[in-house]
Amino acid sequence: QVQLVQSGAEVKNPGASVKVSCKASGYIFTDYVIHWVRQAPGQRLEWMGWIDTGNGNTRYSQDFQGRVTIARDTSATTAYMELSRLMSEDTAVYFCARAKSHIPATGEDWGQGTLVTVSS
Amino acid sequence: DIQMTQSPSTLSASVGDRVTITCRASQTISYLLAWFQQKPGKAPKLLIYGASTLQSGVPSRFSGSGSGTEFTLTISSLQPDDFASYYCQQYWSYWTFGQGTKVEIK
Repeated sequence: QVQLVQSGAEVKNPGASVKVSCKASGYIFTDYVIHWVRQAPGQRLEWMGWIDTGNGNTRYSQDFQGRVTIARDTSATTAYMELSRLMSEDTAVYFCARAKSHIPATGEDWGQGTLVTVSS
Repeated sequence: DIQMTQSPSTLSASVGDRVTITCRASQTISYLLAWFQQKPGKAPKLLIYGASTLQSGVPSRFSGSGSGTEFTLTISSLQPDDFASYYCQQYWSYWTFGQGTKVEIK
């Protein structure tokens, strides 16, 4: 069955960077794009960006432009999201989700989420 | 950016009630609208995509309608497992989510 398994919780200092992984299994990795979405405590879901796992092309939300980098390793069927210059407002649960490639599509399957806490 | 607005923010209902949640987009998104259910500490679960297509495995008491800028999610007979938060999402231009509707026990 399809699974997206994310890396574990992180605690970071302000100004640091965090890298979250999303290991995919149960389907052909390059047939789907991977999106990253975050949810701060009590807040709505917020889209961060996506990666075309086939060719590596990326698109980022303007809200995170310059601070977020999304990458993938096709041999490891894993996607990564790195967020830099962390602030307390970046404390949130970060999710990866897969969506069909080449058409407008929503997230069919989601990772379990990774809690990132930014605190000094 | 496309903005998504849901109403109500909170809804109190009883088991067996018919429940309707509304979502409005700031510009037309055709039928590119999805609904998710989320429980505390869990990932969102896709219920409906294409405004009205039920995701595989989702109970038929869930239904969606609308196109353009106005959409609704209806639960025909609320069950104990349905008490959760619900989010609409547009995927016409990247992704944007509504602010959520929490369905509480009355």
